[in-house]
Amino acid sequence: GAVVSQHPSRVICKSGTSVKIECRSLDFQATTMFWYRQFPKQSLMLMATSNEGSKATYEQGVEKDKFLINHASLTLSTLTVTSAHPEDSSFYICSARQSERGGHGYTFGSGTRLTVV
Amino acid sequence: SQQGEEDPQALSIQEGENATMNCSYKTSINNLQWYRQNSGRGLVHLILIRSNEREKHSGRLRVTLDTSKKSSSLLITASRAADTASYFCATANNQAGTALIFGKGTTLSVSS
Repeated sequence: GAVVSQHPSRVICKSGTSVKIECRSLDFQATTMFWYRQFPKQSLMLMATSNEGSKATYEQGVEKDKFLINHASLTLSTLTVTSAHPEDSSFYICSARQSERGGHGYTFGSGTRLTVV
Repeated sequence: SQQGEEDPQALSIQEGENATMNCSYKTSINNLQWYRQNSGRGLVHLILIRSNEREKHSGRLRVTLDTSKKSSSLLITASRAADTASYFCATANNQAGTALIFGKGTTLSVSS
């Protein structure tokens, strides 16, 4: 089955630094990937849609200059949290859309727990 | 953005009992999916029901979909302690390249 690898699984960084999270589709090409953020005891909130070779589409209220998304290849999308602050501490999850043939169409990474101190 | 509400927000039951969770959504959909998430972990896909289906079964899971009411329910029968997790519904519309939008979720606690 389709696999999406997300790294790192956990990261602790100091306030003001930047953190990059990678999301790779291992056995399929993903022209579209999605980034979600999840605060404790809450649901997943869509942050942005990442399209290979073009600019990401951000949801309302998500700062594009703070959450930089790059989708340079059909198998890799990255989310960089710039100038991180403690309020950016959250669980970040990526997802890739694949053909719905034989499957539910969306594959999720295992998530990244970001803690900003 | 989120599609809508799930209820209950939290549900506590004993092993062996059935658990029913409901989900409502707002827009037209192509399909509706249910996911499970253990605390602090990734998502596990449980079941997908298409917009032209009304009911679907998978093992101890039963999902219904009422597109006229824009609602779905997930029934877990004969619950086990290992079913303790958060459950989310997620919807996708008919446009290609669109993301899954998640409901607020139900936290299920099954005690032995």
